[in-house]
Amino acid sequence: EVQLVESGGGLVQPGGSLRLSCAASGFTFNNYWMSWVRQAPGKGLEWVATIKQDGSEKYYVDSVKGRFTISRDNAGNSLFLQMNSLRAEDTAVYYCARGRIAAAGRGEGDYWGQGTLVTVSS
Amino acid sequence: QSALTQPPSASGSPGQSVTISCTGTSSDVGGYNYVSWYQQHPGKAPKLMIYEVNKRPSGVPDRFSGSKSGNTASLTVSGLQAEDEADYYCSSYAISNNYVFGTGTRVTVL
Repeated sequence: EVQLVESGGGLVQPGGSLRLSCAASGFTFNNYWMSWVRQAPGKGLEWVATIKQDGSEKYYVDSVKGRFTISRDNAGNSLFLQMNSLRAEDTAVYYCARGRIAAAGRGEGDYWGQGTLVTVSS
Repeated sequence: QSALTQPPSASGSPGQSVTISCTGTSSDVGGYNYVSWYQQHPGKAPKLMIYEVNKRPSGVPDRFSGSKSGNTASLTVSGLQAEDEADYYCSSYAISNNYVFGTGTRVTVL
């Protein structure tokens, strides 16, 4: 059974940092792109970042470029999101997802974790 | 990277059909056949319902169908059931390795 379990969320002050993790199981992790998507309270979904199978390509939404870094550990079946210089507008539930959110073929956006809440507030 | 435009709400009675539009530009929806649709129930993670404009993942009922014309994609839910009441989001690949979601549509089963 495919499972994605996020962790690392919490309350952080503006300007602070957090590192989110996503533990993957039930599939061959290094065969898939992986993505982070966020959802602010009461708002819609927003794509945050995507990483290729071997980590050689990484893409970000403009609003997080230079502040967030997506990475992965294929040996440990884990996905990460390092978030620096956090702002109030980064407050959201952060989901990890298998694949890209819109792409060709199966295995793209087909499994999601339950999310972890990040709150940026003083 | 502007969000794709969806109507805020749509509704229908059980057994009826509802169609949700998703309008973008030639740099996203209109330029690629990489449009997906997600269903999200309150407090739950999104679920993939359609990918590549009109393909259904295994396990998704054939009541759900997708299409695209120009810069607008559409999701149709036929034979509405109570469990179809949820928020629906389109997503698209966008030029230069970007991805974008729609603004979301709340579907109500009357």
